[in-house]
Amino acid sequence: ETGVTQTPRHLVMGMTNKKSLKCEQHLGHNAMYWYKQSAKKPLELMFVYSLEERVENNSVPSRFSPECPNSSHLFLHLHTLQPEDSALYLCASSQGGAIYTGELFFGEGSRLTVL
Amino acid sequence: AQSVTQPDIHITVSEGASLELRCNYSYGATPYLFWYVQSPGQGLQLLLKYFSGDTLVQGIKGFEAEFKRSQSSFNLRKPSVHWSDAAEYFCAVVSTSGGSYIPTFGRGTSLIVHP
Repeated sequence: ETGVTQTPRHLVMGMTNKKSLKCEQHLGHNAMYWYKQSAKKPLELMFVYSLEERVENNSVPSRFSPECPNSSHLFLHLHTLQPEDSALYLCASSQGGAIYTGELFFGEGSRLTVL
Repeated sequence: AQSVTQPDIHITVSEGASLELRCNYSYGATPYLFWYVQSPGQGLQLLLKYFSGDTLVQGIKGFEAEFKRSQSSFNLRKPSVHWSDAAEYFCAVVSTSGGSYIPTFGRGTSLIVHP
């Protein structure tokens, strides 16, 4: 496989469920990102893992919990979500540090619907 | 903090017509500038980027963009639009200070192409 792969592509969950989104990158990058894309809103950065350091948007609710076990894998754990959390969740990777190129490589997204 | 404004939510053009999508940024110094495209059901793909040097940047799929420091703008252009160009277009800016290199995205412009 090549590029950035996200699973599942579609997820429907109730507000009391616990689920996880998975992202895997095969590009040898050292930074990974979670973005939330809601209709007619700017892409919202949720979390970044870059060179072992986690950077997060302080406005992200605690019901979203990221995990980055290594530079190739990124998870977003979901717990007790609200209907307004329904959105497209995009994973991206990039090469940071001394050889920064600026380009983000995105997966196709996980479409989340919270009932 | 940097910000990005894409003043047009929707743009409608006829196939074969020229296209210009506007992007304005707010930042104290010269940032890194990007344009991404998102086709329905897909993640974002980089069209082109500006770091420094020649202010007219060529990208993929026949797109180009011009950086104008005096206007804080980075508008995307294409001389002749194809029906396959119908998509969502996002401008992004990356701060060149602080070392974090995390992009900020605009709200996006939806391009509609009439036959």
